[in-house]
Amino acid sequence: SAVISQKPSRDICQRGTSLTIQCQVDSQVTMMFWYRQQPGQSLTLIATANQGSEATYESGFVIDKFPISRPNLTFSTLTVSNMSPEDSSIYLCSVSAGDSGEQYFGPGTRLTVT
Amino acid sequence: GQNIDQPTEMTATEGAIVQINCTYQTSGFNGLFWYQQHAGEAPTFLSYNVLDGLEEKGRFSSFLSRSKGYSYLLLKELQMKDSASYLCAVMDSNYQLIWGAGTKLIIKP
Repeated sequence: SAVISQKPSRDICQRGTSLTIQCQVDSQVTMMFWYRQQPGQSLTLIATANQGSEATYESGFVIDKFPISRPNLTFSTLTVSNMSPEDSSIYLCSVSAGDSGEQYFGPGTRLTVT
Repeated sequence: GQNIDQPTEMTATEGAIVQINCTYQTSGFNGLFWYQQHAGEAPTFLSYNVLDGLEEKGRFSSFLSRSKGYSYLLLKELQMKDSASYLCAVMDSNYQLIWGAGTKLIIKP
């Protein structure tokens, strides 16, 4: 397993601004993932972040809106740029760390855009 | 396309048994996962099935039939703390997790 921390845990931001979310893992991992979860809904994968290469974005998500950094094997950031109220959501990072490829999640960042 | 179906909501009584079903259609299969998510918290890993059959882990068991594209999570001796959403996820041929919408389980005394 892995222990993951995220900062900030929550934030209220004004539209048009940007927020950077940090994700720290207690061990070195190859693959890190960024998800979004709307209230009462399931997880939507934004992108996969691999150390030493560009992040891979899912359909509907672009680098200009959600730039990701992965400077080493224990850390990643996701920036939500030029925010609008539609970006209000919970953002979760996860890592693939188990024997079976299971993912472990950080506690999430609850973002509200006004 | 890829699709995972689970019931939206289920209700059960404390001390009873409940079975949450999951059916899937994915491009390839490299395992099925069940996660528990309490309100306001992150998902936590419960179980993994890659071969047909039943995997038991304490009060929780998970079953898989690959030929039927079907799995269930069985929860025994239900406790109030089991009230949560249960997410089914399948790892496809690209080793990417495809997530179901989750089943909200309500436990009544």
